Amino acid sequence: DQQVKQNSPSLSVQEGRISILNCDYTNSMFDYFLWYKKYPAEGPTFLISISSIKDKNEDGRFTVFLNKSAKHLSLHIVPSQPGDSAVYFCAASQPGNTPLVFGKGTRLSVIA
Amino acid sequence: ETGVTQSPTHLIKTRGQQVTLRCSSQSGHNTVSWYQQALGQGPQFIFQYYREEENGRGNFPPRFSGLQFPNYSSELNVNALELDDSALYLCASRSGLAVYNEQFFGPGTRLTVL
Repeated sequence: DQQVKQNSPSLSVQEGRISILNCDYTNSMFDYFLWYKKYPAEGPTFLISISSIKDKNEDGRFTVFLNKSAKHLSLHIVPSQPGDSAVYFCAASQPGNTPLVFGKGTRLSVIA
Repeated sequence: ETGVTQSPTHLIKTRGQQVTLRCSSQSGHNTVSWYQQALGQGPQFIFQYYREEENGRGNFPPRFSGLQFPNYSSELNVNALELDDSALYLCASRSGLAVYNEQFFGPGTRLTVL
């Protein structure tokens, strides 16, 4: 039973255009959401997060949007750069000291 | 300041054997979490250690066990290895227990069970 779903295994985008990565969740108790980026042979690195009290959080080229009623979040990267090519994981947690639950990831390829 | 390191990088074992994976947490971090990432899957939480005590466990059998040492480094032990244990094992460290404190991952140990 997957609580965090990333339904697109891969995404290909032209350099300079917008990349939109999507994530759906089923557990309404989740209140904190994170995106991680993973390059080959490296561990995941934190990218951006959002609390359930917000619907948008922006950090430079990266923006995360949260739609609680739809149990959906998305990561927007504008403009996309070749160095953004990586696997992106969506993760969520419940209140308190609870572990992160990860999606399966989306492989983003930014083509020059 | 060094980041999270893991050893070994790669490991090949046979079914039924036992394995120990090691993780050195980032300086100042007293919480270490271990994850299993099977091929094509996201990281799955195994357990977490905080100040040398297990502080949370995922849906993994007891043959997965761990330790955290006074310097906050950690070990993951897996007994009676099964083919399905083949995966990338990631450890992550952070300061304290709050999920809002950024978690830093190591590069992982790739375990292959034949």
